[in-house]
Amino acid sequence: SAVISQKPSRDICQRGTSLTIQCQVDSQVTMMFWYRQQPGQSLTLIATANQGSEATYESGFVIDKFPISRPNLTFSTLTVSNMSPEDSSIYLCSAGGQGGETQYFGPGTRLLVL
Amino acid sequence: GQQLNQSPQSMFIQEGEDVSMNCTSSSIFNTWLWYKQDPGEGPVLLIALYKAGELTSNGRLTAQFGITRKDSFLNISASIPSDVGIYFCAGPNFGNEKLTFGTGTRLTIIP
Repeated sequence: SAVISQKPSRDICQRGTSLTIQCQVDSQVTMMFWYRQQPGQSLTLIATANQGSEATYESGFVIDKFPISRPNLTFSTLTVSNMSPEDSSIYLCSAGGQGGETQYFGPGTRLLVL
Repeated sequence: GQQLNQSPQSMFIQEGEDVSMNCTSSSIFNTWLWYKQDPGEGPVLLIALYKAGELTSNGRLTAQFGITRKDSFLNISASIPSDVGIYFCAGPNFGNEKLTFGTGTRLTIIP
């Protein structure tokens, strides 16, 4: 199994600013993902964080708004840029899932944009 | 894209009752996953199903992979207070590791 931590756990931000969320895995993993969970909603995949190359974004999500870094096999960051109140959500990273293995989730970062 | 619809959307039960929830898809899945999300936490995997018709148990939880590969069921027997949370079904998009999550079933236990 993989243990995943995220920082910060929560934040309150002003509109127009940016926040970078860190995700650390306790073991090397091939696959890392970033999800968004809006209040009372399910999880929606934002992008796949690829090590050594640009992230792969899902429909409706773009690199300018959600730049992602993946410098190695245990760490990734997601930046929420030029925030607006609509960006208030829980942002979760996950790891694993390759070849049918279990995908593990971090505890999430709760973001409130005022 | 693929959609996973869960029912019921929410459940209010008394401690000790059995719980049943299901998940249906507009397309075929080769794997069904059931996750539970506690308040303030990320989802935790409860049960994974890999074969049509498969019935798998994990303690008081039992899940089945529907024969049509377009649905799955999760049952919880003799519910206890720590069962409170949101239950999500999920499945990997065909041919890759990206997960599609269901709409969720919120379980509340009435004192």
